[in-house]
Amino acid sequence: DTAVSQTPKYLVTQMGNDKSIKCEQNLGHDTMYWYKQDSKKFLKIMFSYNNKELIINETVPNRFSPKSPDKAHLNLHINSLELGDSAVYFCASGGRASEQYFGPGTRLTVT
Amino acid sequence: AQSVTQPDIHITVSEGASLELRCNYSYGATPYLFWYVQSPGQGLQLLLKYFSGDTLVQGIKGFEAEFKRSQSSFNLRKPSVHWSDAAEYFCAVGGGSNYKLTFGKGTLLTVNP
Repeated sequence: DTAVSQTPKYLVTQMGNDKSIKCEQNLGHDTMYWYKQDSKKFLKIMFSYNNKELIINETVPNRFSPKSPDKAHLNLHINSLELGDSAVYFCASGGRASEQYFGPGTRLTVT
Repeated sequence: AQSVTQPDIHITVSEGASLELRCNYSYGATPYLFWYVQSPGQGLQLLLKYFSGDTLVQGIKGFEAEFKRSQSSFNLRKPSVHWSDAAEYFCAVGGGSNYKLTFGKGTLLTVNP
């Protein structure tokens, strides 16, 4: 039974397109996160939602917009995709005291 | 500001040898500390965590880590490495009301047969 799931696993698209990545967790956590992992494996937090409320919004271009319809879902929409957006995007679900559980990742390739 | 330093970018050990991966953190209060492992093409799996109490914590897959406040360290150890342990290892520090985690840049572990 998957705890944190993401779709799609792979996403290949052209510059200028708009795309979305979906995330769902069945752990009953109140907090969810989006991370970006670059080609050097560096992980950087992008957003966090607690009970559908945005609580972390790091320096991310406005083209990235998270949406949380309920506390079990956190989606990421990206407008006008650029080459530099190519990365692996991870969703995570937060337990107590910063403990986080990660999804399998979505590898985004922008051509 | 919180930060994590993993001094070793890449470590190679022989199968059956012992392992220690280093992690130093910077945090203004009592930190919550974590080690995650990422196998190629996979997500991050939580190996172990430290919140409080006993400074030696046990995790999954035979890993342990020791919290040393005086050295601001949280090193990961395993007495005997298996080939399946080859992966990227990330140390992370967290805390605060927003539960933000800050990750180190990772240490890539290669295991020789």
